[in-house]
Amino acid sequence: QVTLRESGPAVVKPTQTLTLTCSFSGFSLNTPAMCVTWVRQPPGKALEWLALIDWDGDKHYTTSLETRLTISKDTAKNQVVLTMTNMDPGDTATYYCARMDGSVGAFDIWGQGTMVTVSS
Amino acid sequence: EIVLTQSPGTLSLSPGERATLPCRASQSVSVNYLAWYQQKPGQAPRLLIYGASTRATGIPDRFSGSGSGTDFTLTISRLEPEDFAVYFCHQYGSSPQTFGQGTKVEIK
Repeated sequence: QVTLRESGPAVVKPTQTLTLTCSFSGFSLNTPAMCVTWVRQPPGKALEWLALIDWDGDKHYTTSLETRLTISKDTAKNQVVLTMTNMDPGDTATYYCARMDGSVGAFDIWGQGTMVTVSS
Repeated sequence: EIVLTQSPGTLSLSPGERATLPCRASQSVSVNYLAWYQQKPGQAPRLLIYGASTRATGIPDRFSGSGSGTDFTLTISRLEPEDFAVYFCHQYGSSPQTFGQGTKVEIK
């Protein structure tokens, strides 16, 4: 059974750096065509794709946030980490990680999400 | 970046009716790498359709996807009570990947 779970702080202050961890099981990021991605959703709003890392270590970022985002993986721990610098109240959202299986292509399994509030 | 437009933002329909949800891309979606997700309040999105027309595992056959290039459609043939939710389209053919703004299907 494939599962993903996000973890990180519920509240961060403006200008701080957010670090989120996606812990997964049931698949390996060493498997060709496997990827893990991050998506966020402000309250009551649409989904926004943030970043993706693939089995080969290639990384992709959304254009508008590229300078603030870093995605990395620890294959041995089955974890993917997303950092976002210079947090702003506008970054308040639920942050999801999800798996992208190359045989499907889309995000087939999602974590439950973690709500992050940016407030002083 | 490819912009996906979902309009209308809300569809008001009755159980048993047919729902047709469009998604238009600002440029052609590579290899029809277009997916649809369903999201209910307080839940993560659930993959319904990928590759524009392939149902994901466990998705009922009342859900179908069609289209190519820049115009795609999600159709729910007969709405069940559990189908009232928000639906998002997503293109994963080119980076940056993008989502549409969503269509809410509500009970009329």
